Amino acid sequence: AQSVTQLGSHVSVSEGALVLLRCNYSSSVPPYLFWYVQYPNQGLQLLLKYTSAATLVKGINGFEAEFKKSETSFHLTKPSAHMSDAAEYFCAVSVSGNNRLAFGKGNQVVVIP
Amino acid sequence: GAGVSQSPSNKVTEKGKDVELRCDPISGHTALYWYRQSLGQGLEFLIYFQGNSAPDKSGLPSDRFSAERTGGSVSTLTIQRTQQEDSAVYLCASSLRSGSSYEQYFGPGTRLTVT
Repeated sequence: AQSVTQLGSHVSVSEGALVLLRCNYSSSVPPYLFWYVQYPNQGLQLLLKYTSAATLVKGINGFEAEFKKSETSFHLTKPSAHMSDAAEYFCAVSVSGNNRLAFGKGNQVVVIP
Repeated sequence: GAGVSQSPSNKVTEKGKDVELRCDPISGHTALYWYRQSLGQGLEFLIYFQGNSAPDKSGLPSDRFSAERTGGSVSTLTIQRTQQEDSAVYLCASSLRSGSSYEQYFGPGTRLTVT
């Protein structure tokens, strides 16, 4: 079965600094990978997805992620953090033939002014 | 257009009572999913519908949980004889088609508190 690991439940970043959230996946077949963001008392919003077209994926709000098969990773980055980036971020994996998403534990991002 | 909607947004119920949670997917979306989000377990898959059929119910935690979908649209998740461990946020999502590459759009969730 596929799974996702996100380390560091809470991540603090200074406003204007690089945001880096790590995601490693486990899958015996080629995965589809997603990053979602959740603001307080809201549902999940898709930031970006990898579906094998390009290894560097650009998403909304200035975020991007790079798929590295050799490292089984799909880390999320943003060059310059903004106060509005404070939220919880989830990495998720799905594989062909299995429609469910398997989520990581999430990273709560705090932006320090 | 309208997104996925869920009702109620909050539900407080006494242990042992039954509850029904409703999900209205995006119009035209054929696939519908239920997930549960809790502090201890994170985000867990519960059940998936393609049309009115549920090919994958493997995430339902016990036989107290059931779900149905009618008219290829609205879905209801029912929890019978609620227990305190059922307290969580229940999220519904829909996608245009079934298939792992299709984006799932999430509703705002129903926060269930069992007292």
